[in-house]
Amino acid sequence: DVKVTQSSRYLVKRTGEKVFLECVQDMDHENMFWYRQDPGLGLRLIYFSYDVKMKEKGDIPEGYSVSREKKERFSLILESASTNQTSMYLCASSEGVHEQFFGPGTRLTVL
Amino acid sequence: RKEVEQDPGPFNVPEGATVAFNCTYSNSASQSFFWYRQDCRKEPKLLMSVYSSGNEDGRFTAQLNRASQYISLLIRDSKLSDSATYLCVVNPNAGNNRKLIWGLGTSLAVNP
Repeated sequence: DVKVTQSSRYLVKRTGEKVFLECVQDMDHENMFWYRQDPGLGLRLIYFSYDVKMKEKGDIPEGYSVSREKKERFSLILESASTNQTSMYLCASSEGVHEQFFGPGTRLTVL
Repeated sequence: RKEVEQDPGPFNVPEGATVAFNCTYSNSASQSFFWYRQDCRKEPKLLMSVYSSGNEDGRFTAQLNRASQYISLLIRDSKLSDSATYLCVVNPNAGNNRKLIWGLGTSLAVNP
């Protein structure tokens, strides 16, 4: 079974802090994704990566950056957290046209 | 018009009922389609891929109507465990699924 793990299930940070969210997948998938999910807005793509060191902006990249130094790991960085970045963050991975497998999510609260 | 539209529900049905959800999409060139299921406070998981000929998996049937640009999900003999949010997902790209378009989901509650 594909496993996607995320570094934290719950995280509380203060405004202005730098926040790192880590995601690791164990199936050698080429594609990795970061989404946020908010009530009434659904899943929105922040960034994705289709290869090591490659990244592309999704629909809402502002305020975020990403890093993919190894194929299995995709990090989401909030350079200076703000309260409007309080959300559920979901990482996913996939191969080609096949399904996206999701991690359990990180519920981030920015105070 | 939203790229993918779903009735948010909630659909409240008794156990054993048959329930159907529709989802419309705006991009007529869309290549592939999926239904994902998301339980409360959990991650989305693939329920079914939707093929042009329609497909069935046990109590679940998915159909695609390209002419009218909608996909449907039919659940027969509903179980309490079917209570969840069902997400309609459209892939507008051939050859990869790098940018999927996600619907907001339809909420289903199956009652005893």
